[in-house]
Amino acid sequence: EIVLTQSPGTLSLSPGERATLSCRASQSVSSTYLAWYQQKPGQAPRLLIYGSSNRATGIPDRFGGSGSGTDFNLTINRLEPEDFAVYYCQQYVTSRSFGPGTKLEIK
Amino acid sequence: EVQLVESGGGLVQPGGSLRLSCAASGFTFSSYWMSWVRQAPGKGLEWVANIKQDGSEKYYVDSVKGRFTISRDNAKNSLQLQMNSLRAEDTAVYYCARDSGRYNYWGQGTLVTVSS
Repeated sequence: EIVLTQSPGTLSLSPGERATLSCRASQSVSSTYLAWYQQKPGQAPRLLIYGSSNRATGIPDRFGGSGSGTDFNLTINRLEPEDFAVYYCQQYVTSRSFGPGTKLEIK
Repeated sequence: EVQLVESGGGLVQPGGSLRLSCAASGFTFSSYWMSWVRQAPGKGLEWVANIKQDGSEKYYVDSVKGRFTISRDNAKNSLQLQMNSLRAEDTAVYYCARDSGRYNYWGQGTLVTVSS
């Protein structure tokens, strides 16, 4: 079983700043099989990034993903008010599992 | 337009059963794996189970093995989750999602509350 951990648990930033969210896997994950989601209160999650660095349809280019092996990052440039939400990473190389999430809040 | 609509949630006593359904439209249902993912109140996402296109392979998270059964009806474009021996810790919003490894499409979720 691959366990994902995310850091920080909460990130407090201001609009216009850059956010860097981390996801670490308990064992190596091919970058092909790592995704990121955004979830706002009362809504279903929305796919942002798949294959570690590929933006899903309709996702603005201020969202970027990177990483390999056991360490992956989601970077959000020039934070917009609508970007403040909870973000989850997910692996799909072995079964499926999600990280515990990072809450991005307005400072 | 891809649509996934869950139904069947509600309040059930511990030890009880509930059957969730997910109606799919806007894509060729029989061509995709499908998953159930749940989210306990105020908590993160947890993958629960998935099923192959023809139903020949099914996988479950350890905590529901032997209690939950995932199934599908490709003729009716429908996904089900039979939940037996329910526990308080199964209380969550249950989402169905189209499973391409990643989840491009999700339903709006149905709330299951296990309480006496």
